[in-house]
Amino acid sequence: NAGVMQNPRHLVRRRGQEARLRCSPMKGHSHVYWYRQLPEEGLKFMVYLQKENIIDESGMPKERFSAEFPKEGPSILRIQQVVRGDSAAYFCASSPVTETGELFFGEGSRLTVL
Amino acid sequence: RKEVEQDPGPFNVPEGATVAFNCTYSNSASQSFFWYRQDCRKEPKLLMSVYSSGNEDGRFTAQLNRASQYISLLIRDSKLSDSATYLCAPFGGSQGNLIFGKGTKLSVKP
Repeated sequence: NAGVMQNPRHLVRRRGQEARLRCSPMKGHSHVYWYRQLPEEGLKFMVYLQKENIIDESGMPKERFSAEFPKEGPSILRIQQVVRGDSAAYFCASSPVTETGELFFGEGSRLTVL
Repeated sequence: RKEVEQDPGPFNVPEGATVAFNCTYSNSASQSFFWYRQDCRKEPKLLMSVYSSGNEDGRFTAQLNRASQYISLLIRDSKLSDSATYLCAPFGGSQGNLIFGKGTKLSVKP
């Protein structure tokens, strides 16, 4: 039973390029969450999605960031025109249909912007 | 007041010691509470869930004080492998997501 799968694990981009991070939730989980963790900082909530719906995007920056969770396929966090401040670990988590607050995290995607 | 506050530490303790962490939260509507453990450069992993006044699992005990809006985590007989950052996360109320504290770093020394 595979856990939450994230890819790529490491991504290097130059300023101005686009970054796409993918997340496949655990089997049977329909809720996906994205968190960002800057070096030596805590986990910051970004967005909460269910299939084809954005439930809460209160933590997403207003510009350059978007997220989706299509009917088929993984959830994608997209960062356009990356800047150095976007360098961070991006963690995806999933939870079962019944929301319990228990999240299962992927290993994260580490974005480095040169 | 921040949503979730934790003492950042670090807590440096010898093996075998008992150590306790506190966490305060601002959302009085929170229904359940979680302690996660995060090792350096790894993903957070669920350590304990607290739905009522407390929970105990082996060397770990979590207690909830709703009136004062804080939860605690007690670790008895610390092991070297307990060295990690411990994250507190309340859940519920109007939010459908977990809001994490910045974490408390624990370092257990031989």
